[in-house]
Amino acid sequence: DTAVSQTPKYLVTQMGNDKSIKCEQNLGHDTMYWYKQDSKKFLKIMFSYNNKELIINETVPNRFSPKSPDKAHLNLHINSLELGDSAVYFCASSTLSRGEQYFGPGTRLTVT
Amino acid sequence: GIQVEQSPPDLILQEGANSTLRCNFSDSVNNLQWFHQNPWGQLINLFYIPSGTKQNGRLSATTVATERYSLLYISSSQTTDSGVYFCADMNNNAGNMLTFGGGTRLMVKP
Repeated sequence: DTAVSQTPKYLVTQMGNDKSIKCEQNLGHDTMYWYKQDSKKFLKIMFSYNNKELIINETVPNRFSPKSPDKAHLNLHINSLELGDSAVYFCASSTLSRGEQYFGPGTRLTVT
Repeated sequence: GIQVEQSPPDLILQEGANSTLRCNFSDSVNNLQWFHQNPWGQLINLFYIPSGTKQNGRLSATTVATERYSLLYISSSQTTDSGVYFCADMNNNAGNMLTFGGGTRLMVKP
């Protein structure tokens, strides 16, 4: 009965590769998000998406792209991975009206 | 966008002690949330508290929106309270995106 789930939990890959992280929520929410947590634990928004609108944080490189096959899923695709992409990536969801967000368990990405 | 400052950045407590964590905002408070990130990295929702006071067991939170701050109280701390506590608020921009504070790293010693 997991509310927000992510796969994989750990991802180790080499520079230059392309990878994806999957996120699913079963809360019936209409808005999903991706956040990045760096090595100093600082959390920063990357994307906000509902079925009508994608909002992109202007600091996110265009190598990162969210893809949503349906309202319950928001996957994160990363092209040409760089060392600086190493971080923990969190997916979250909420309703657009209330805004209280619930987070997945995180995916620890290590780029070597 | 909104700036969020948390204090103190680090806190060490003896088990059983009480503490207060603070969150200051540069702009009006919209949809403030408090989270606990446990040592395993999970982000756990503690409170959704745009204004007023809420209590949940040994934890309580108060948001004074007009003065742009929120407080999280931990009473009778336990070792399982260790971790990082974050407050976050929603940007006034579109998308409901949360802006997080830098966190308070709490260690509770037995």
